Amino acid sequence: DTAVSQTPKYLVTQMGNDKSIKCEQNLGHDTMYWYKQDSKKFLKIMFSYNNKELIINETVPNRFSPKSPDKAHLNLHINSLELGDSAVYFCASSYHRLPSGNTIYFGEGSWLTVV
Amino acid sequence: ILNVEQSPQSLHVQEGDSTNFTCSFPSSNFYALHWYRWETAKSPEALFVMTLNGDEKKKGRISATLNTKEGYSYLYIKGSQPEDSATYLCACRSSDKLIFGTGTRLQVFP
Repeated sequence: DTAVSQTPKYLVTQMGNDKSIKCEQNLGHDTMYWYKQDSKKFLKIMFSYNNKELIINETVPNRFSPKSPDKAHLNLHINSLELGDSAVYFCASSYHRLPSGNTIYFGEGSWLTVV
Repeated sequence: ILNVEQSPQSLHVQEGDSTNFTCSFPSSNFYALHWYRWETAKSPEALFVMTLNGDEKKKGRISATLNTKEGYSYLYIKGSQPEDSATYLCACRSSDKLIFGTGTRLQVFP
């Protein structure tokens, strides 16, 4: 059973389109995250939700909007896609908010290519 | 801004060799240090979480140490195997966030 699953795994789309990436975790965690792997290969936090409440919102264009219908799901919607949005997006979850002794569990990543 | 650095960027070793690499981080406002193992197209896999100065953790042939006073952690792999080939990421916890380094890409040749 996949603990953190995200779909789609690969997505190729045209500039200007709107797309969503879905994420679900079956670990019973109450905190979920979206990370982006940038061009320098850093994994950078974008958003974090705790029990459906937004707790971290980094400096991300407002074309990116996370939505958490329940604590097991955190979806990422991107409007008006730009070439620079091409990246790998990782969903993750943890048991309670950091900091504590908890680790973060990651999905396999969603490869987004904007053409 | 928290800056986490890893070295070397990449490493090629022969099967059976032991190897180690470094993660450096600011020693102030330290909460925890995480190590992940990441194969392309797979989920980053959590290896260790360390919080206390002097912590040492071990999982099979892989071990890690932590020095929070000087701001570094070492990851050691004893008797490297081809299946150890992966990118090893460290991440430093600052408040609610994990700040990642760029990773060390390890390739083990048979």
